[in-house]
Order: sequence, then C-alpha cells, then structure tokens
Amino acid sequence: DVKVTQSSRYLVKRTGEKVFLECVQDMDHENMFWYRQDPGLGLRLIYFSYDVKMKEKGDIPEGYSVSREKKERFSLILESASTNQTSMYLCASGTTGLYGYTFGSGTRLTVV
Amino acid sequence: ILNVEQSPQSLHVQEGDSTNFTCSFPSSNFYALHWYRWETAKSPEALFVMTLNGDEKKKGRISATLNTKEGYSYLYIKGSQPEDSATYLCAFKAYNQGGKLIFGQGTELSVKP
Repeated sequence: DVKVTQSSRYLVKRTGEKVFLECVQDMDHENMFWYRQDPGLGLRLIYFSYDVKMKEKGDIPEGYSVSREKKERFSLILESASTNQTSMYLCASGTTGLYGYTFGSGTRLTVV
Repeated sequence: ILNVEQSPQSLHVQEGDSTNFTCSFPSSNFYALHWYRWETAKSPEALFVMTLNGDEKKKGRISATLNTKEGYSYLYIKGSQPEDSATYLCAFKAYNQGGKLIFGQGTELSVKP
C-alpha cells in the first residue's frame, strides 16, 4: 500500500522555536508539496518541489523554508515559530501526469 | 492567479436527502479536475479525476459531472448517509503548472441521522 508518512500527528511548540515537519513517500514520486489548512481558507500551498534539491514557493511561503535532499523526503521548516502558524499541515506527493496527490495524515501544530 | 471556488462552504442535510455541490475553475489551460473526500482525522482520499468535457463519473451513491467550456463541475450524493459527512475538495490542474493542483476551499457536509 502506497504511503505518505508525516512524522508527527500533533505537535506543540513555543514561539520562536525552530520547527521541523518531516514527510516521507514511498512511491518514487517526483513532486512533493506542503499545504496548510485553516477553517474557511481551504488548502493553501506553502512550498513544493519537482525534484531533489529543487524548491519553489507556493502562495504563502513567508516564515517557512523547505529541504529536499532525497527524492523520498520533503521537510518543512518554521524558522522561528509564531502563533499565526498554528494550523494543520498536510504533505502530499504526486506525478506530473493526470493523476492527483497522495496525502499524508497531517500534522496539527500548535504554537504557544 | 488561478482561482478555484466551491459552493456552498457548508451544508447540513438529513439522512436520505440528496445533495450537490459546485466547483468553479478557470476554463482555459484545463488539464484535469480532481475531487477528494476528507474525513476528520484522516488523509484526503481521491474520489474522481476528470479530464474530458461532458465526463460523468460514478462511485456508489456519489457522482460527478464536468463542463470544461464553462469551467464548472458538480458533485452529487444520492441518499446521503451519516458516513458521507466529510469535507469535499475539488482541485484544478492546468497544462502549464506541472504537477501542481489548485484547491478550492472545500464544502463541509454534515449528514444528521
């Protein structure tokens, strides 16, 4: 069964901390994505990557960075966590063809 | 900026009611339209991928139609059940955007027994 695995289901961090959210896929997909989901706003794209060591900004990249050193792993980094980054974070992977994404189960991050 | 709109934002129905939601997307550069179902505490699950104007897809009591010329898709649920309660997301894929999907805000469906 194909999988996208996010390292944590729930996280609580303090303001100012550096936070790492990890995502690993086992489908050999070239594309990987990080979204956040907030009530009434839907899924908003933070960053995505089409290949190893490549990254592109999505719609709301401010306050975030990413790392893709290996094809299967895509990390989201909150450089200095703030309370407005409290959200549900979803990782997804996919291909360039017709098909959509496979999603991870999400990480609910609370910044206090 | 590519914009995908879904309506209504939320819907509350009784068990047995039939319901439908709308997804509006850009009519130019169309490549594919995806529907996902997202239950609380689970990952979004793919329902349909639609590519051709006039496409109709069906999965049990759920069906979807596609009009690429006017830029909309409808999702129908016949005889809603409490287990249909979820957020339904549509996502648009354009020819020139690589593998990127543009998501709507979702329609949150609640079915009361």
